[in-house]
Amino acid sequence: DTEVTQTPKHLVMGMTNKKSLKCEQHMGHRAMYWYKQKAKKPPELMFVYSYEKLSINESVPSRFSPECPNSSLLNLHLHALQPEDSALYLCASSPRLAGGRETQYFGPGTRLLVL
Amino acid sequence: AQTVTQSQPEMSVQEAETVTLSCTYDTSENNYYLFWYKQPPSRQMILVIRQEAYKQQNATENRFSVNFQKAAKSFSLKISDSQLGDTAMYFCALGSSYSGAGSYQLTFGKGTKLSVIP
Repeated sequence: DTEVTQTPKHLVMGMTNKKSLKCEQHMGHRAMYWYKQKAKKPPELMFVYSYEKLSINESVPSRFSPECPNSSLLNLHLHALQPEDSALYLCASSPRLAGGRETQYFGPGTRLLVL
Repeated sequence: AQTVTQSQPEMSVQEAETVTLSCTYDTSENNYYLFWYKQPPSRQMILVIRQEAYKQQNATENRFSVNFQKAAKSFSLKISDSQLGDTAMYFCALGSSYSGAGSYQLTFGKGTKLSVIP
């Protein structure tokens, strides 16, 4: 089963709100990723976790806070976002963190609108 | 630095016909991995096909096949017998063969929007 699930599917939040995005996979993958995707653009990497430890933070503003409580679960905590943060947030996982040698499997995404 | 270029922002094809999406890339590595991902409207990104650079044989997956020209750094996707469900954004991506820091990312092209016309 190559399935990555994400909740919620849609989220609308104000600039003063705090919300969280959730990603889950049960494929035994040890690398998990957060991407941000604007309309008609490719995904942009935000964070990478390997064995529940943050490996890459692509200079993302601190209003985005990732968390990896266990090997199956990845959260993205949102606080004081700006309207320009509105986008599709994709989660992905791969068996290991090994560049192109490991295929990444993507979730359906959470479509976020910041008002 | 790695780059991926998809020169066709939009394409259309009649149902049951064949279409080819182009992708060129640049990398200093001798071994690497190439991917085509499909993202239908409002649906998740799924892997269509994957090619390892050290394999000369072109990858195929049912109606999808690639023409991999390593010397030319070209990796085109051919879709045969196009179906309405093939309507999607197609992203070409390049992945490093290394596992060290800075090599984890996939480099994506800007995408080609394919519309299959009934």
